[in-house]
Amino acid sequence: GENVEQHPSTLSVQEGDSAVIKCTYSDSASNYFPWYKQELGKRPQLIIDIRSNVGEKKDQRIAVTLNKTAKHFSLHITETQPEDSAVYFCAAIGYNNNDMRFGAGTRLTVKP
Amino acid sequence: SQTIHQWPATLVQPVGSPLSLECTVEGTSNPNLYWYRQAAGRGLQLLFYSVGIGQISSEVPQNLSASRPQDRQFILSSKKLLLSDSGFYLCAGTRSSYEQYFGPGTRLTVT
Repeated sequence: GENVEQHPSTLSVQEGDSAVIKCTYSDSASNYFPWYKQELGKRPQLIIDIRSNVGEKKDQRIAVTLNKTAKHFSLHITETQPEDSAVYFCAAIGYNNNDMRFGAGTRLTVKP
Repeated sequence: SQTIHQWPATLVQPVGSPLSLECTVEGTSNPNLYWYRQAAGRGLQLLFYSVGIGQISSEVPQNLSASRPQDRQFILSSKKLLLSDSGFYLCAGTRSSYEQYFGPGTRLTVT
């Protein structure tokens, strides 16, 4: 089945700097890659996603890039703000398109 | 729009007691439904998913089971809880295509 690895596990940046989180996946048939943000004690919230027919997608300060050949995708947050502090999870849909596999998460801390 | 409901929000149960967590979905038909468990400070572990009534795929059999008696209802059960069952249980459903959205979760503490 699909295996998703996520790095780094923790990331600390100064307010205004950029943050980059990277994920790799194993199943070349995967074709949907979402990113979730989870604040303490809350449910994960979908913040952006990308499909395999697109190399990059941007939504204001958040962007995701996908390299299908290398089987990795990344989340980029620019002009970080303290409210961006949270745990971020990447995910990929496996070959049967029913079970989504999550990375282990990245705890992002934005220092004011 | 799709809304996922879960209850209870918090639960404290003794070891060896039974468990029943309920998830219901409104605003969509025939969604894929998922149960995840999240240990404190950890990632999301897929427990079960269902593509339709009575159809359950198990990722982590252990002492947990799931059932889908109705299109928009997904139940997670256990006959005898273990200490290791403590965690944050999240139900998720697909809104369209692959997009998954989560319910508010149930925080289970087994004592």
